Amino acid sequence: AQTVTQSQPEMSVQEAETVTLSCTYDTSENNYYLFWYKQPPSRQMILVIRQEAYKQQNATENRFSVNFQKAAKSFSLKISDSQLGDTAMYFCAFMKHRSSGGSNYKLTFGKGTLLTVNP
Amino acid sequence: DGGITQSPKYLFRKEGQNVTLSCEQNLNHDAMYWYRQDPGQGLRLIYYSQIVNDFQKGDIAEGYSVSREKKESFPLTVTSAQKNPTAFYLCASSIVGTGMNTEAFFGQGTRLTVV
Repeated sequence: AQTVTQSQPEMSVQEAETVTLSCTYDTSENNYYLFWYKQPPSRQMILVIRQEAYKQQNATENRFSVNFQKAAKSFSLKISDSQLGDTAMYFCAFMKHRSSGGSNYKLTFGKGTLLTVNP
Repeated sequence: DGGITQSPKYLFRKEGQNVTLSCEQNLNHDAMYWYRQDPGQGLRLIYYSQIVNDFQKGDIAEGYSVSREKKESFPLTVTSAQKNPTAFYLCASSIVGTGMNTEAFFGQGTRLTVV
């Protein structure tokens, strides 16, 4: 069974600064997807960034980038030039890749990190 | 517009009653999921379904039931056996892991309160 761990329940950062959110996971699969989702106060879940495990290059989306360390099973999210609108809960999530075969493609989430961006 | 719709947004249940939360998607996704969200607990998986007429229990299935008679629909019933049903419920759908378009899309959630 896959597990996802986010060890930072809360974090804060000053506007325009950089912050890194941590995520570790445990799996026996070789190929899988990792995601970061954002949940603002509206509670609507929004995809921030995704990474396929077989791709060594770290994914980037504008101010958001990841540091994917497959051997260490680590998937951290870096937010550069933090903005007030980045204030939200951030969830790390795991899904195995279809190439892994079998069944059980459930999407597993960590407990989340509440990020507050201060003006 | 393509998307995933949950209804109602707010739901009140009396003790001992069953209630059904609706989830509909028009994204042609094979997989659908139900999550429960409580403060400090993240998103916990209740049930998921990868194809029509098939579904699997998640981590906290006790007191819940689902059906998947149509690809577009995945309703969740909270039964009287669920002792602490007050929570925020999220439904999601996704392609089953076929490429870089893989992501889960979420509904806006249903807030269930026992009165």
